[in-house]
Amino acid sequence: DVKVTQSSRYLVKRTGEKVFLECVQDMDHENMFWYRQDPGLGLRLIYFSYDVKMKEKGDIPEGYSVSREKKERFSLILESASTNQTSMYLCATHGGSEKLFFGSGTQLSVL
Amino acid sequence: GEDVEQSLFLSVREGDSSVINCTYTDSSSTYLYWYKQEPGAGLQLLTYIFSNMDMKQDQRLTVLLNKKDKHLSLRIADTQTGDSAIYFCAETTGGFKTIFGAGTRLFVKA
Repeated sequence: DVKVTQSSRYLVKRTGEKVFLECVQDMDHENMFWYRQDPGLGLRLIYFSYDVKMKEKGDIPEGYSVSREKKERFSLILESASTNQTSMYLCATHGGSEKLFFGSGTQLSVL
Repeated sequence: GEDVEQSLFLSVREGDSSVINCTYTDSSSTYLYWYKQEPGAGLQLLTYIFSNMDMKQDQRLTVLLNKKDKHLSLRIADTQTGDSAIYFCAETTGGFKTIFGAGTRLFVKA
């Protein structure tokens, strides 16, 4: 089974802090994604990566950046966290079949 | 643009059937999915249907696809309290983009 691991289950940060969310997958998949999940809005794609050092903006990239230095690791970076970035962040991966495999999520609160 | 819509809440009694409905707009969708999210967890693929199929059955789950109306449904037979979760409808046209609905919270009353 594909395993997608997100480093933190809960995070509390202050406004203006730089925040790193880490995601690691163990199935050698090329494609990795970061979504945020908000009640009533479903999942919205922030960024995705289809190869090492390659990244593409999703639907809501503003205020975020990403890093993919190794195939198994995809990091989401909030350069200066704001309260409207309080959300559940979900990492996902797929190996070309379009079926997504998700991590357990990181609930980020920005105070 | 692409959009996936589903109702936000459904309540059923244990043992009854649940039907969760979804409409989508992109007629070029190749795969349509149902994902399940249990409390405190990420999403897990429950089942999927290829766009050239009308129906798919997998144990207690039945997926119906009406391409003409762009309507997808998930029927859960003999619903159990363990089925309480949020169910997301999603579509993809291939490639990298998967469009998710807002999720339907299923509440099963004992």
